[in-house]
Amino acid sequence: KAGVTQTPRYLIKTRGQQVTLSCSPISGHRSVSWYQQTPGQGLQFLFEYFSETQRNKGNFPGRFSGRQFSNSRSEMNVSTLELGDSALYLCASAEASGNTIYFGEGSWLTVV
Amino acid sequence: SQQGEEDPQALSIQEGENATMNCSYKTSINNLQWYRQNSGRGLVHLILIRSNEREKHSGRLRVTLDTSKKSSSLLITASRAADTASYFCATDEWGGFKTIFGAGTRLFVKA
Repeated sequence: KAGVTQTPRYLIKTRGQQVTLSCSPISGHRSVSWYQQTPGQGLQFLFEYFSETQRNKGNFPGRFSGRQFSNSRSEMNVSTLELGDSALYLCASAEASGNTIYFGEGSWLTVV
Repeated sequence: SQQGEEDPQALSIQEGENATMNCSYKTSINNLQWYRQNSGRGLVHLILIRSNEREKHSGRLRVTLDTSKKSSSLLITASRAADTASYFCATDEWGGFKTIFGAGTRLFVKA
């Protein structure tokens, strides 16, 4: 089975712009989670989707949003980018909640 | 705040020595997992231990879970330079639909 695939791997954006990151989960996995990783804050939970429904979200402003499609692929969007949004954004998938989650390689976002 | 907190934050040992990392958490959990992350890469799953288990082994890894103390430990025996990475514990809260990660322990194994 192919692993979790995230695109793009690297991107540079300017303050005020918006960005969309994509995640394709492992085939058969219906749960997709997103995390933000920064040196100072570690891995912060953004949100989790299951069968196109957001079941939980972390403490992030409304500029951070996501969605999941019927094929379980997921996207996250960050609008009005700020310098502090520079981070590694990780997507993870699981068959169901409570099971092992598998991570993609992440998308490195740099905001200048 | 993070559900899981690892201790120590950083650990430096010689190849061949054992490395022990600890994790504490706050609420009731469904399971606890340990992950490894090489610099700038995604996290790799190492081992999952369920709340009704006390110890689990996988190769050179040994994980213990003490739900009364809300803590877990990861032991890596006979460490190798390739074990150099950050190690994270992660917990699933009951019915929470989210996996929470600690800040991680940075392990450096000197050849």
